[in-house]
Amino acid sequence: DTGVSQNPRHKITKRGQNVTFRCDPISEHNRLYWYRQTLGQGPEFLTYFQNEAQLEKSRLLSDRFSAERPKGSFSTLEIQRTEQGDSAMYLCASSRWERESSTDTQYFGPGTRLTVL
Amino acid sequence: AQSVTQPDIHITVSEGASLELRCNYSYGATPYLFWYVQSPGQGLQLLLKYFSGDTLVQGIKGFEAEFKRSQSSFNLRKPSVHWSDAAEYFCAVDANNDMRFGAGTRLTVKP
Repeated sequence: DTGVSQNPRHKITKRGQNVTFRCDPISEHNRLYWYRQTLGQGPEFLTYFQNEAQLEKSRLLSDRFSAERPKGSFSTLEIQRTEQGDSAMYLCASSRWERESSTDTQYFGPGTRLTVL
Repeated sequence: AQSVTQPDIHITVSEGASLELRCNYSYGATPYLFWYVQSPGQGLQLLLKYFSGDTLVQGIKGFEAEFKRSQSSFNLRKPSVHWSDAAEYFCAVDANNDMRFGAGTRLTVKP
């Protein structure tokens, strides 16, 4: 079990550029979550997948944000036309959800810190 | 939607002293409850969780938490704090696959 990994760990970009982050979940986990964390705050839920299906995306911050998980394994989060307000830590988590128990525990990756200049 | 309140933004304790971090939630039913710890620049590490059953749950690193339904609380405790416990602590609630975090409590440990 290698844990959740995220790449890159840091990203500096200029306003208006597009950025893409990758998350590799724990291998047997079927759910994958994206969060944003700003300084001094707790993580804020953005979206999640069960296998390749995106089950919740209404809380993505704007239409500039999109996420994919095409094969039900790794996921990418893209931010188009970045703004300075997008500067934050973007966290990924994964879990093994089982219908029988209807419970799951999320395990977090180290995050990608985005700085928009 | 549910919400989570961590009333203490920052707590300082001496090494070896006991610790209690407060967490209150607002939700119509009993959600699933979690405590996570985050060291600077790192992701979140799960300390413990409550789904059902015994309201006193044990976690890693000597932490425990007690669920009190009547008070809508899930406070985290440790009998003797170590310098390595200095970090940010987050309480979280999960209701119907909607995970909400508190704003966190930063713990400083004095030698």
